[in-house]
Amino acid sequence: KNEVEQSPQNLTAQEGEFITINCSYSVGISALHWLQQHPGGGIVSLFMLSSGKKKHGRLIATINIQEKHSSLHITASHPRDSAVYICAVDSGADGLTFGKGTHLIIQP
Amino acid sequence: DAMVIQNPRYQVTQFGKPVTLSCSQTLNHNVMYWYQQKSSQAPKLLFHYYDKDFNNEADTPDNFQSRRPNTSFCFLDIRSPGLGDAAMYLCATSRENRARAFFGQGTRLTVV
Repeated sequence: KNEVEQSPQNLTAQEGEFITINCSYSVGISALHWLQQHPGGGIVSLFMLSSGKKKHGRLIATINIQEKHSSLHITASHPRDSAVYICAVDSGADGLTFGKGTHLIIQP
Repeated sequence: DAMVIQNPRYQVTQFGKPVTLSCSQTLNHNVMYWYQQKSSQAPKLLFHYYDKDFNNEADTPDNFQSRRPNTSFCFLDIRSPGLGDAAMYLCATSRENRARAFFGQGTRLTVV
């Protein structure tokens, strides 16, 4: 079974700061997802990666398959980015294996 | 427009009283998933359907059942909710296995 570790678990930063959230996993995967969960509980899919790098607005996601590691970056962070960011991997078993999430707070 | 809709958003049920949570999708996706997420924990897969084929996770309690009467709808039935079943229940869909997942807003279940 794949083990998914995220760091940090909690992160508080000032508006405008560059944010990095890390995810590592133990077993080879077919894809990795970055998800955003807001206080109400709903989850939004941000990225699905199998290699390289993807960018959407101020969000950038990278993955290194050899090192079994992915990062999510937020540039010019804003209070509305405050949420829980979850890494999830698809390792061939049905469904996703989730990390415990990173609770991000961006202060004005 | 929401593509994966869960109803209700909040559900309060009595200990032992059967409850049904609903998920519908407008994406015509083959796969529908139910996840349970307890406070400060990662979501845990309960089961999923590929079309009409039902796949139960080995450690999903028998108290949890699911129905998928058609492509658009999937239901989670909790036959006798216990206090430990209080959680956020998330529905997700994907076009195929290992494709991008789309999540609903979740149903927060409280057991009293």
